[in-house]
Formats: sequence, C-alpha cells, structure tokens
Amino acid sequence: GQNIDQPTEMTATEGAIVQINCTYQTSGFNGLFWYQQHAGEAPTFLSYNVLDGLEEKGRFSSFLSRSKGYSYLLLKELQMKDSASYLCAVMDSNYQLIWGAGTKLIIKP
Amino acid sequence: DVKVTQSSRYLVKRTGEKVFLECVQDMDHENMFWYRQDPGLGLRLIYFSYDVKMKEKGDIPEGYSVSREKKERFSLILESASTNQTSMYLCASSWAAHVTDTQYFGPGTRLTVL
Repeated sequence: GQNIDQPTEMTATEGAIVQINCTYQTSGFNGLFWYQQHAGEAPTFLSYNVLDGLEEKGRFSSFLSRSKGYSYLLLKELQMKDSASYLCAVMDSNYQLIWGAGTKLIIKP
Repeated sequence: DVKVTQSSRYLVKRTGEKVFLECVQDMDHENMFWYRQDPGLGLRLIYFSYDVKMKEKGDIPEGYSVSREKKERFSLILESASTNQTSMYLCASSWAAHVTDTQYFGPGTRLTVL
C-alpha cells in the first residue's frame, strides 16, 4: 500500500532551526509537496521537489532523496507565526496526491 | 491570486438529512477535489473531477456523491448524513489533469452531524 510517515508533533524555540522529516512509499513518484496549515485554516503550498537535493526559499528549505524515499522541511529563524501543521504529500504515478497526517509544530518563546 | 471559496465554514445537520457543500474557484482550473480531514489522519480524497460533468471516485467515496455542472463549481452531496461523516471538508483545485501541479485549497467546512 501507499504510505507517508511524518512525526505527529514537534516543539521548537523561537529563533531556532527545526527539521521535519517525511518518509514515503508510493506507487510511482511525480514529486513531493509540503504544505503549511494553520489551525482552522486551509493548507497553503510551501514547496515542491521532484529532483534530489535541496530547494531553498527564504527561511524554508526542502530536501528530497528519491532513492531513500525521504524528504525534510527545514525551517530557520523560527517565528511564533510558524506554529502550524506541516503536511507532506507525494504525487504518485496516477498524479494523485497521497497525504501524510501532518506534523504539528509548536513554537515556544 | 487563486481563490477557492466554500459555501459554509461551519454546518450542523441531523442524521439522515441531505447535505450540500458547495465549492467555487475563480481561476479556470480544470481539476477540482473534495477531501475530508480528520485528526491523526492525512487528507483523504473523496471525489475529484477533471472536467465539467466528469467525476472520479477517490479513496473514500461511500456515502457521498458529487456534481460538476459548471467548470468553476464542484458540489459534494451527502445523501443521508451520518454521524461518522462529522469532519472537516476541504475543496481544492488545480490547473490541469495528469500533470504535476499545486493544489489550492478553500477554507474548509466543518460539518457536525448530530
């Protein structure tokens, strides 16, 4: 079956760095997405990786290793507004998104 | 800016009622999706549509139906609501079928079935 695993919850301190991991097993691979979802709001797109390596976008970076079925989202200089759930999703060979359950990130002052 | 709107943010219905959830997107997207989101579970796809009057079952279509009469509008119908359909319902849209594309989400409808 298809499976996306990510930690349920993480806690970090304002100003620090946090890495949220995602591992996947899917039928085919057409890219991996990260979304941010604040409580009670819609998920919003953060990043997309289809090739191995690191993609940097401001304070956020996303890494992919297709051979290991692994990705991470790196958040630097954490701010209180980064408190949210972070969703990992993989697009399979049928162009369907398979979603992880999300990682709730709690930022403490 | 892509805008996806949903008809209600919060909805309370009784068991056995017929429920309509409406979703409208303003970016001429071909694809539209309905998901439900429950605590501890990933987003689960209920139905999707690649074009007007076209629909495909997702992973959990039982108890639901959909309608897409116009390109911008995608409706989710619960023919006879049950308590296990209490959930957050999210609508999404994306540009084209069978390509890798970002999905844009509406604000969600939190449905409670009593």
